[in-house]
Amino acid sequence: AQSVTQPDARVTVSEGASLQLRCKYSYFGTPYLFWYVQYPRQGLQLLLKYYPGDPVVQGVNGFEAEFSKSNSSFHLRKASVHWSDWAVYFCAFQGTGSKLSFGKGAKLTVSP
Amino acid sequence: NAGVIQTPRHKVTGKGQEATLWCEPISGHSAVFWYRQTIVQGLEFLTYFRNQAPIDDSGMPKERFSAQMPNQSHSTLKIQSTQPQDSAVYLCASSLGGTGGVRKTLYFGSGTRLTVL
Repeated sequence: AQSVTQPDARVTVSEGASLQLRCKYSYFGTPYLFWYVQYPRQGLQLLLKYYPGDPVVQGVNGFEAEFSKSNSSFHLRKASVHWSDWAVYFCAFQGTGSKLSFGKGAKLTVSP
Repeated sequence: NAGVIQTPRHKVTGKGQEATLWCEPISGHSAVFWYRQTIVQGLEFLTYFRNQAPIDDSGMPKERFSAQMPNQSHSTLKIQSTQPQDSAVYLCASSLGGTGGVRKTLYFGSGTRLTVL
């Protein structure tokens, strides 16, 4: 089945520390992958997207993600987390149709 | 560009009442998607339209839920005889219309929080 899995439901990182949020996908072909962020009581905002090409994609606010076909992964990274990054992060998969299938999300808490 | 606009932001209904949620897509976008978000189920796809035509409603509950897109500037999601389990955040998204396997990015509105008492 086509899907994405986010194994870490809750992540706590100190402000200024680096961050990695994991995403694993299951798809026979080449997936189109996205990371969205949801701040409290807001909709989903696009952080970055992977369309087949360069495996490392840059997003907004210093986020980047790396696609790995061998590991079926699309992990999100940030070198230095800011308190304003406190939010829920969703990995999403887009197959041959246009709709997105989302992971369960990772709630990021930033500690002082 | 105002982005995807959803109204109302919050709606409270009594059990058995009807709820209509509105979505205005980004101008020029021809695809509109509806999702439901709950703590337990996460983000669930409901339905989507391209050029106002229904393309995929595989996520819509078979009873009480319906969606329409009467023109290119808005879509509605209607829930008849609302039940407490319908309480959720309903998100609308739009994209440029991709056909023939071309995938386009979805842009989301802020959602409508529906509470059924």
